[in-house]
Amino acid sequence: EVQLVESGGGLVQPGGSLRLSCAASGFTFTSYWMHWVRQAPGKGLVWVSHIHIDGSSTNYADSVKGRFTISRDNAKNTVYLQMNSLRAEDTAVYYCGRSNGYVDFWGQGTLVTVSS
Amino acid sequence: DIVMTQSPDSLAVSLGERATINCKSSQSVLYSSTNKNSLVWYQQKPGRPPKLLIYWASTRESGVPDRFSGSGSGTDFTLTINSLQAEDVAVYYCQQYSTVPYTFGQGTKLEI
Repeated sequence: EVQLVESGGGLVQPGGSLRLSCAASGFTFTSYWMHWVRQAPGKGLVWVSHIHIDGSSTNYADSVKGRFTISRDNAKNTVYLQMNSLRAEDTAVYYCGRSNGYVDFWGQGTLVTVSS
Repeated sequence: DIVMTQSPDSLAVSLGERATINCKSSQSVLYSSTNKNSLVWYQQKPGRPPKLLIYWASTRESGVPDRFSGSGSGTDFTLTINSLQAEDVAVYYCQQYSTVPYTFGQGTKLEI
């Protein structure tokens, strides 16, 4: 059974940092790109970033470029999202997703709240 | 960036009737090497992650009821739900995965 379990969310002050993790199981992790997608409370879905199967290629939404870094540890079947210089507008549920170009399987999400 | 625009923003349909949701992209999402459209449809219910319904614009995901269908090409796409059921109440999103950033439509809220 495919499982994606996000963790690391929480309350952080503006300007702070947080690292999200997404632990994958039930599939061959090294065969798939991975995505992060976020959803602000009551709002729509926004693609954030994705990473190649070996980590050699990454892309970001303009809104997070230079502040967020996606990475993966294939030995641990885990993808990460390092978030720095956080802003109030980064408040959202962050989902990781397995990629077939599109996200074909989603985690349950982890809530990040940026507030003083 | 490719802008995805869905219409309508919300839709009320009677049980057993048909619902039609449209999605328009600001440029073609046709992937020339495969002649496939890089367009996906998701369903999201409150408090839940999105669920994949349709990919490559018209290919139904395994396990998705056949009352859900996708059509269209280039820049204009449609999600059709026939014989609407109560469990179809949700927000529906289209997304293009042709060009980074992979942009979503704003969502269409479907109600009974």
